[in-house]
Amino acid sequence: NAGVTQTPKFQVLKTGQSMTLQCAQDMNHEYMSWYRQDPGMGLRLIHYSVGAGITDQGEVPNGYNVSRSTTEDFPLRLLSAAPSQTSVYFCASSYSPVGGWGTDTQYFGPGTRLTVL
Amino acid sequence: QQQVKQSPQSLIVQKGGISIINCAYENTAFDYFPWYQQFPGKGPALLIAIRPDVSEKKEGRFTISFNKSAKQFSLHIMDSQPGDSATYFCAAKESGTASKLTFGTGTRLQVTL
Repeated sequence: NAGVTQTPKFQVLKTGQSMTLQCAQDMNHEYMSWYRQDPGMGLRLIHYSVGAGITDQGEVPNGYNVSRSTTEDFPLRLLSAAPSQTSVYFCASSYSPVGGWGTDTQYFGPGTRLTVL
Repeated sequence: QQQVKQSPQSLIVQKGGISIINCAYENTAFDYFPWYQQFPGKGPALLIAIRPDVSEKKEGRFTISFNKSAKQFSLHIMDSQPGDSATYFCAAKESGTASKLTFGTGTRLQVTL
């Protein structure tokens, strides 16, 4: 298993540009999430999904869109990038709900470092 | 408003010593408290987790202590090793939510020889 993969590893955008951060997992996990990590602020949840076709907002959803058409993929779209979106983005997945009573370990990808100029 | 407050921000411990990282929360609806370990350039990895029906959980050299009345929980790393040098995050999940974790701000641990 490749686990959770994210592409690209690094990206530089200009203000106003759009792009999609890719996230894929090959573990047949239903639950997937996107986080951003900023210095001194820990990780903050952007959007999450509990299965194909079902997404919901997290703590900081503004400026980001998601969709989940397949179990494997959960892309994160920035429609009009802003300097405030400069961050490291992590995708995560788990077989069952985090904190549930089953196999709920959440696996994180290696991250995408995004800079918006 | 930081729902999960983590301290200290950084910690230096000698090899063989005990590392202690503390977290406090206000939301009594939190029902799951994991700790994550992150090495530079990598994503976080689940280290150990606890539910509020127990006061302590131990896995190898790592122990979570949980004080429900004080709304505090802490990570203890016994016999700290240089390989434990990493950033540690506490987190909490609200009851009834699916995978919505709230993270602390992180503690950078350095274990010296």
